[in-house]
Amino acid sequence: GAVVSQHPSWVICKSGTSVKIECRSLDFQATTMFWYRQFPKQSLMLMATSNEGSKATYEQGVEKDKFLINHASLTLSTLTVTSAHPEDSSFYICSVPSGRSYNEQFFGPGTRLTVL
Amino acid sequence: GQNIDQPTEMTATEGAIVQINCTYQTSGFNGLFWYQQHAGEAPTFLSYNVLDGLEEKGRFSSFLSRSKGYSYLLLKELQMKDSASYLCAVLDSNYQLIWGAGTKLIIKP
Repeated sequence: GAVVSQHPSWVICKSGTSVKIECRSLDFQATTMFWYRQFPKQSLMLMATSNEGSKATYEQGVEKDKFLINHASLTLSTLTVTSAHPEDSSFYICSVPSGRSYNEQFFGPGTRLTVL
Repeated sequence: GQNIDQPTEMTATEGAIVQINCTYQTSGFNGLFWYQQHAGEAPTFLSYNVLDGLEEKGRFSSFLSRSKGYSYLLLKELQMKDSASYLCAVLDSNYQLIWGAGTKLIIKP
C-alpha cells in the first residue's frame, strides 16, 4: 500500500497562532487526499477532501477560512489551522485513497495538536 | 440519518477468540471496512466486505450481512498486541466513508 507521512507528529502552540500540517504521499501520486480530525474516544470525522490543483471540498460545519488546505502537487497536501484555539486541539490525520474501486485508504501517522 | 453502531469497549483473554459487532444504517452501501487503530496512531486497514459472507485473513475474519445491516470482525488466538480500537466504516452511495466510533479491545493475560 501507499506510504503516507505527516509532519509534524505533534505540535504545541499558543492560542491565536497558526499551525501548518503537511501530508506527503511518498510512493503514490495522489490527486485526492482526505483530512480527518479525531477527538479522544471519538470516531474519525472527515473535515475536507483535498484536490490537487483545485479548491478543497469541505464538509458541512467545517470553516474553510479557518482550516486552509493547499494541495499543490500530487504528493503534498497541507492543512493550516489559522488562529488556533484550545478547542482545535485534536488528532489530525490525512489519508490517501488507494485508487482501487473499493476506496481503501492509507492513513498518515497523524499529528497531535495541542493549543494552549 | 446515517448511523454506525459498535460496542464502546470489550475485554478478552490472550489466546481466546473475540467477535466485535457492527450494525449500520446508511444511505446506500458500497462496502464495509474494518480498521485497527492503536492508541495515538493512525488507522490501518484490516478488511473490506461488499458481498455477504465471511472473509478470512489469517487470525482475522470479517462477516457481512447486507440484508441485516450487520457485520462482525472475528479475532482468533488473541495476542497482547491486538489491544487496540477497531473501527467499522461503511462506504455510502456517494462513496463517502461513514465511521463508527470504534470498539476499544482490551486483552488480558
